[in-house]
Order: sequence, then C-alpha cells, then structure tokens
Amino acid sequence: GAGVSQSPSNKVTEKGKDVELRCDPISGHTALYWYRQSLGQGLEFLIYFQGNSAPDKSGLPSDRFSAERTGGSVSTLTIQRTQQEDSAVYLCASSSSTGFQETQYFGPGTRLLVL
Amino acid sequence: AQSVAQPEDQVNVAEGNPLTVKCTYSVSGNPYLFWYVQYPNRGLQFLLKYITGDNLVKGSYGFEAEFNKSQTSFHLKKPSALVSDSALYFCAVGYGGGSYIPTFGRGTSLIVHP
Repeated sequence: GAGVSQSPSNKVTEKGKDVELRCDPISGHTALYWYRQSLGQGLEFLIYFQGNSAPDKSGLPSDRFSAERTGGSVSTLTIQRTQQEDSAVYLCASSSSTGFQETQYFGPGTRLLVL
Repeated sequence: AQSVAQPEDQVNVAEGNPLTVKCTYSVSGNPYLFWYVQYPNRGLQFLLKYITGDNLVKGSYGFEAEFNKSQTSFHLKKPSALVSDSALYFCAVGYGGGSYIPTFGRGTSLIVHP
C-alpha cells in the first residue's frame, strides 16, 4: 500500500516568510510524529498527534512553529517568520497505534532552505 | 529520562567483512529498542526492533542486533557487508512507561568499500 508522503519535497524561502509543510500518513494510522533532522544532529522530536487526543507539543522549538492534524489524517506543520536556523529536513512518521513498541513509518521528508 | 548514544559518527568496512554499528542506551524501565536506516535523500526505514523475548533480533536485509541488558547495548550487526548497505543508521530507544516519544541517536554513517 501507499506509504507516508510529504510535500513539497524541497522548499526554498526567504527569511521572514511563512512556510507550510504537509504530511499524508498511512491510511488508518492513528499516531503521527514530526521530526527535524539537521546535519550531524540526528532526529529532533517536534510534535506528536494520537487520535483525537491533545497533541504533545513539547518538542516545538519556539512559538513560530505550529502543527495541526485535520480529521485524524493529514497534518500540516507551519513555520512562521522563518529564520536561517530553521533550515533542515523535516520528517513525518506515522504508526498504527499508540505505544512505543509500534514501528514508525517515515515519509521522504521536506528539505527546507531559508535564505 | 531516556537517552541513546551512537559513539561512532562513521564506520568503514570492506565489502564481505562483518560490520558492527554500536548503540548504548539509558532508560528507567524496560527498553524498547529500534534500528532504522536512511538512504540518501530518503526517509528512515525500519530495520528491526527489540521489545521482549530473545536477545538476538533478526531484521531486514540480513541485519541483526543483540540486546545486552548488563551492558545496556543494542549493537547492529551483519555477517557480510555489501556496498549497498552504505547509509546512515539510527538507533532509537523508548521505555514504554508513559512516553510515546522515542529518542533517536545522532546516527552513524556506514561506508562499505568495494
């Protein structure tokens, strides 16, 4: 079946502009994660959605970052007033249910470059 | 708090030789441990996981990992490396005690030379 998809695959923007990144999880997956991958820094957790529960936003680095998940499916990560340090690859992952024993399925990522 | 360490930024091995990518962890309860692989310009792909049971876990592409509780390690191994195994490998840990947020290592770049 279809895997996790993300769009756009690449995004170049100017400092101060807002950007929206989209994630389409695997159909039926209730858990959705956003991560940021910077060169040499591994994966940095940003936000976690589980079903209809309130999202865990503990990883968002600043109030410029926000995310929503509509209808328990598609998610959008928004970065307002982008800064150069926001340049990174943003990865989305979904899993079939809650609990860390579940395997995460990752999308190909969105490479963001802020000039 | 939980943490995971991948002490090597890069591992070099000749094709046909055995490979090991190291991972150590720190959790307050029973660990759930994962290995993922990332090929260039791709997302992470699941390789294998340890939840409970046999300490030797077998996964995709001939990889295996051994859970060692006394050494708090979960090293990734393969008996005979292929050039196509060259990629970035991530170890992840979670303790399943209430946090659904996994902690990933910084990643180890595996380079297999022909």
